[in-house]
Amino acid sequence: DQQVKQNSPSLSVQEGRISILNCDYTNSMFDYFLWYKKYPAEGPTFLISISSIKDKNEDGRFTVFLNKSAKHLSLHIVPSQPGDSAVYFCAASLNTGNQFYFGTGTSLTVIP
Amino acid sequence: DSGVTQTPKHLITATGQRVTLRCSPRSGDLSVYWYQQSLDQGLQFLIQYYNGEERAKGNILERFSAQQFPDLHSELNLSSLELGDSALYFCASSVGNRRYEQYFGPGTRLTVT
Repeated sequence: DQQVKQNSPSLSVQEGRISILNCDYTNSMFDYFLWYKKYPAEGPTFLISISSIKDKNEDGRFTVFLNKSAKHLSLHIVPSQPGDSAVYFCAASLNTGNQFYFGTGTSLTVIP
Repeated sequence: DSGVTQTPKHLITATGQRVTLRCSPRSGDLSVYWYQQSLDQGLQFLIQYYNGEERAKGNILERFSAQQFPDLHSELNLSSLELGDSALYFCASSVGNRRYEQYFGPGTRLTVT
């Protein structure tokens, strides 16, 4: 039962443009969300997080938006750079638990 | 470099065998998490330990077990291996018991033939 879904397996964007990665979840009890970036042959690296009490969190070129009513979050990367080419995972956790639920990932390619 | 180390990097073994994967968390981190990533799958949470105690259990098979030692390193034991157990196994660590960013190791690639 996939509670966190990333329906786009891949995305290609021109350098300098905006990359938008999407994530949907089914469990309304999730209250903490994270994005991870993963390069080949490496473990995932934490990128940015957001608590359910917020609808936006920004860190440099990365912004995460949370729409609780739609059970949807998105990661915006502006401007996109070739070094951003990686697989991006979203993850969610419950208030009561220690477990993080991960999506299947979106492979982002930024074209120079 | 996340500061989390995993050994070995690669492991090839036969069906029915037993293997042990090892993880050393970042200095100061008390929580260790284990994840499995099969082909084209997301990361599936297996189990979490906090300061030596099991704190959360995910989709971990009965053939799999883990423990965290007093020096906080952790081992994941996989027994009676099947072809379907072939996957990347990641260990992650975090400072607290929950809701903190997890720092991942580079993973151990297990191939069961």
